[in-house]
Amino acid sequence: GEDVEQSLFLSVREGDSSVINCTYTDSSSTYLYWYKQEPGAGLQLLTYIFSNMDMKQDQRLTVLLNKKDKHLSLRIADTQTGDSAIYFCAESGLGRGSQGNLIFGKGTKLSVKP
Amino acid sequence: DVKVTQSSRYLVKRTGEKVFLECVQDMDHENMFWYRQDPGLGLRLIYFSYDVKMKEKGDIPEGYSVSREKKERFSLILESASTNQTSMYLCASSLTAYGYTFGSGTRLTVV
Repeated sequence: GEDVEQSLFLSVREGDSSVINCTYTDSSSTYLYWYKQEPGAGLQLLTYIFSNMDMKQDQRLTVLLNKKDKHLSLRIADTQTGDSAIYFCAESGLGRGSQGNLIFGKGTKLSVKP
Repeated sequence: DVKVTQSSRYLVKRTGEKVFLECVQDMDHENMFWYRQDPGLGLRLIYFSYDVKMKEKGDIPEGYSVSREKKERFSLILESASTNQTSMYLCASSLTAYGYTFGSGTRLTVV
């Protein structure tokens, strides 16, 4: 079945860039998402990219999509301690019907050291 | 501001109790979902619903049931709570494939 994989941990120093990577298997994916979960909270949609785009930039966030390799990345520029959270990659595909159920990765825990 | 509200942030229940977790959304979304989140396992889909009175099993429905009598409310029911159901429970809603809106989560401890 469809799968989304991401590494479980990433540690960076404050002010550096963070890059969180994700791979997925569903070639029919139409939208790909990044969610952020702060400690003790629910998931918050950070950004998303449509599958016919290569890149999307939103302030400090840059999303890169390599559809051929089914690889998605999230780059956070000038990472701050407030960026410490778990980041989930998710994808939706036509293969799961019009409702487009999302498939989530297990999440990457980003730790930002001062 | 659109919202998904889960009735409790923290719950402690005894083994064998019947437990109700409530979720309400104010966005007129058709689709609603219940997940549980455990360390190292990510989000696992328990049940989802595409419309009132409709429900579909997710990946781990055993030990759970759901109720959707009104469009805005989706309830998760633990028929007889067990310690292995201690977890963070997350509710979400969506209109189409344009992403989910999540509630803040309910951390359930079964003792």
